[in-house]
Amino acid sequence: EDQVTQSPEALRLQEGESSSLNCSYTVSGLRGLFWYRQDPGKGPEFLFTLYSAGEEKEKERLKATLTKKESFLHITAPKPEDSATYLCAVYTNAGKSTFGDGTTLTVKP
Amino acid sequence: ETGVTQTPRHLVMGMTNKKSLKCEQHLGHNAMYWYKQSAKKPLELMFVYNFKEQTENNSVPSRFSPECPNSSHLFLHLHTLQPEDSALYLCASSQDGGRNTGELFFGEGSRLTVL
Repeated sequence: EDQVTQSPEALRLQEGESSSLNCSYTVSGLRGLFWYRQDPGKGPEFLFTLYSAGEEKEKERLKATLTKKESFLHITAPKPEDSATYLCAVYTNAGKSTFGDGTTLTVKP
Repeated sequence: ETGVTQTPRHLVMGMTNKKSLKCEQHLGHNAMYWYKQSAKKPLELMFVYNFKEQTENNSVPSRFSPECPNSSHLFLHLHTLQPEDSALYLCASSQDGGRNTGELFFGEGSRLTVL
């Protein structure tokens, strides 16, 4: 059974304090790993897709990396507007998507 | 309009009511999904439609009845719900079949409260 585990469950940072979110996965046949951002009361918004180990993607203060067992979402010098829940999902060769529980990030000014 | 639109955004209903959630996508996709999001739980896939045909029903109780009249519209008909069905219901779409990259485009969700 495909499993996705995100840690920590919640993360509180001061503005400018860099950190990383983790997404560990166990799947049979990874086709892609996705990061989404979800603001309260809204639907998830796509951030990145990673397809193979060693791949990295960047967008503003966010950088996503992928290994054969996990993915990290690095946040450099975060701002309060980066506060949101970040969801990780794996997409398999069987065409199935499995989501993690998410990490809720709060950035204090 | 662009993207995925869901209505209503908020719905309060009694356990004996019948209501429907509506989803419309303007992205030219052929796959549409219903997800349930409850507090402290990961997104739960409920139904998948590809080219209007239901391809997945994730053991969802029959009090939830989906309908997909065409590739752009998806409904979720609700009847005799339970309080534990209160949640955010998310509609999503993606490219079809072999072109499916797995990337999902979500609507803003319908917040359902069952009294």
